[in-house]
Amino acid sequence: QQQVKQSPQSLIVQKGGISIINCAYENTAFDYFPWYQQFPGKGPALLIAIRPDVSEKKEGRFTISFNKSAKQFSLHIMDSQPGDSATYFCAASRAESNFGNEKLTFGTGTRLTIIP
Amino acid sequence: DTEVTQTPKHLVMGMTNKKSLKCEQHMGHRAMYWYKQKAKKPPELMFVYSYEKLSINESVPSRFSPECPNSSLLNLHLHALQPEDSALYLCASSQRTSTDTQYFGPGTRLTVL
Repeated sequence: QQQVKQSPQSLIVQKGGISIINCAYENTAFDYFPWYQQFPGKGPALLIAIRPDVSEKKEGRFTISFNKSAKQFSLHIMDSQPGDSATYFCAASRAESNFGNEKLTFGTGTRLTIIP
Repeated sequence: DTEVTQTPKHLVMGMTNKKSLKCEQHMGHRAMYWYKQKAKKPPELMFVYSYEKLSINESVPSRFSPECPNSSLLNLHLHALQPEDSALYLCASSQRTSTDTQYFGPGTRLTVL
């Protein structure tokens, strides 16, 4: 029940196209859904995050769509650029009443390649 | 400043060695984390410190020993590691909880011979 399933495992998109990565979760107690971007040899960096009180959040070319009833959320990258080529991880967490017991559960990752 | 620093960047050690990984943040964050990441896999949580106290230990073998000397520093002491422990070790911090943004360091690439 703590799993977050992510697809696809890898994705190739033409420059200027839309990249879409999907995640699904089972634990309805999750209330925080971030997306992390990781370049080779670097640590993950927060890209964008959403909480379940909204269905969509947009920051520049990056949009999270959230479907609470389906327990799914997705990342859309508009006008994809070669510099977006990286591994993307979705994640989920929940605030625990017992402070310190909450933790971030990561999806399996998507390797995105943007081709010219 | 949203930087988490980790030293060393690379570490090669034998199975009988003792070494330590270091992590530092000056963002005033009160939660700090150690993760292990294998190639092409997501980070796996190892330990969480909240207000300098160990709050989560994800059943990590005792050859890994965390330490939080103060609110800015986090160490991971390594002893008698196995080759399968070779991985990227990531440190992260967040303001208070895992539902706050976690800032990751660049990691230490560990190779155990």
